Amino acid sequence: SAVISQKPSRDICQRGTSLTIQCQVDSQVTMMFWYRQQPGQSLTLIATANQGSEATYESGFVIDKFPISRPNLTFSTLTVSNMSPEDSSIYLCSGKGFGTGSSGYTFGSGTRLTVV
Amino acid sequence: SQQGEEDPQALSIQEGENATMNCSYKTSINNLQWYRQNSGRGLVHLILIRSNEREKHSGRLRVTLDTSKKSSSLLITASRAADTASYFCATDAWRTGGGNKLTFGTGTQLKVEL
Repeated sequence: SAVISQKPSRDICQRGTSLTIQCQVDSQVTMMFWYRQQPGQSLTLIATANQGSEATYESGFVIDKFPISRPNLTFSTLTVSNMSPEDSSIYLCSGKGFGTGSSGYTFGSGTRLTVV
Repeated sequence: SQQGEEDPQALSIQEGENATMNCSYKTSINNLQWYRQNSGRGLVHLILIRSNEREKHSGRLRVTLDTSKKSSSLLITASRAADTASYFCATDAWRTGGGNKLTFGTGTQLKVEL
């Protein structure tokens, strides 16, 4: 099944700065998703990254804070902008499409972000 | 917002015992999946049950689905210390405007003690 390489795996950032997280899939996927997992919590969907169009954001998430790019069917980025300590979380990307295994979805290994 | 509520939030059992986790959800689904996550690391897909299925087995795992009650359960039999992890249900559903999305439940933290 498809494999997603996500980087960086972790980072410690200063408040007020931005971090861009990248996900590269080894095969084409029709849909890509970005999740946030706050400490001790479950995964919350931030947005769906659409190829060639703007991302679709879930309630409570806005493009200015979490801009997303999806230039092709194998790559996407999420930027966490103007970070504050409340943004400290694990961020995961996911892909769905042909070749993503029995679940239909494949996940990156996550980016553990700490904002100081 | 979270689709699924899971209970219990935390479960501690002895090795060899069975562990049961429950998940409830709110909307129509295509399928329901269970995942495991060890200590905030990556997700491991365990099992998928389609909306027209009622029960599914995979090794020591047994999943049930009751679409009338919008609920599912995961049973892990003969638990091992290595089963210690967080377990999440996730519902795969069509979304308004097209496409699918996977929405996760609140999770159950399982601890299996020797």
